[in-house]
Amino acid sequence: NAGVTQTPKFQVLKTGQSMTLQCAQDMNHNSMYWYRQDPGMGLRLIYYSASEGTTDKGEVPNGYNVSRLNKREFSLRLESAAPSQTSVYFCASSSRVSNTEAFFGQGTRLTVV
Amino acid sequence: GESVGLHLPTLSVQEGDNSIINCAYSNSASDYFIWYKQESGKGPQFIIDIRSNMDKRQGQRVTVLLNKTVKHLSLQIAATQPGDSAVYFCAESLQGAQKLVFGQGTRLTINP
Repeated sequence: NAGVTQTPKFQVLKTGQSMTLQCAQDMNHNSMYWYRQDPGMGLRLIYYSASEGTTDKGEVPNGYNVSRLNKREFSLRLESAAPSQTSVYFCASSSRVSNTEAFFGQGTRLTVV
Repeated sequence: GESVGLHLPTLSVQEGDNSIINCAYSNSASDYFIWYKQESGKGPQFIIDIRSNMDKRQGQRVTVLLNKTVKHLSLQIAATQPGDSAVYFCAESLQGAQKLVFGQGTRLTINP
């Protein structure tokens, strides 16, 4: 079982460049999430999607956009990358029945120079 | 507002001893409180959760205690093993909002 798959695993961007982080899950989960994790910090919620067709802002949405392409896929876009967006990004998914048990991808380590 | 925090950033215990990781929360409206484990280079992994109307829940070698009076959550790990070395995060969930809010994390180190 693949679970939650994120691509790419590593990325270096120049300030001002744009990119999209991809995430797909094969567990038929309704809810999907994007978090960022900075050194020594917990995970901060950027955006989430409680179901296909809906997205909502989390704690730190500024500078990001998301698309819930279908039930499987939830992408995160940086339109104009800034050094402050250097972080490890995690995608996660959970079922509607138990959204406490979220399944996480391996993470994308993004560096903006 | 929503805020989940931890008392101690690091904890070292001897292999075989019990460990207790603590967490303070501020949102009294949360429905569930959850513990996650994150090993180096990996995404967090669910350990155990507890509903807000409970005060104790046990799993395999782990026990979560919830004290709503002082808004405190703890994770007890019995007979710690080297594989327990990781960062442990508490999180809270508001079911209606379908989202998880995480705390800062505690790094648990198991000494041989």
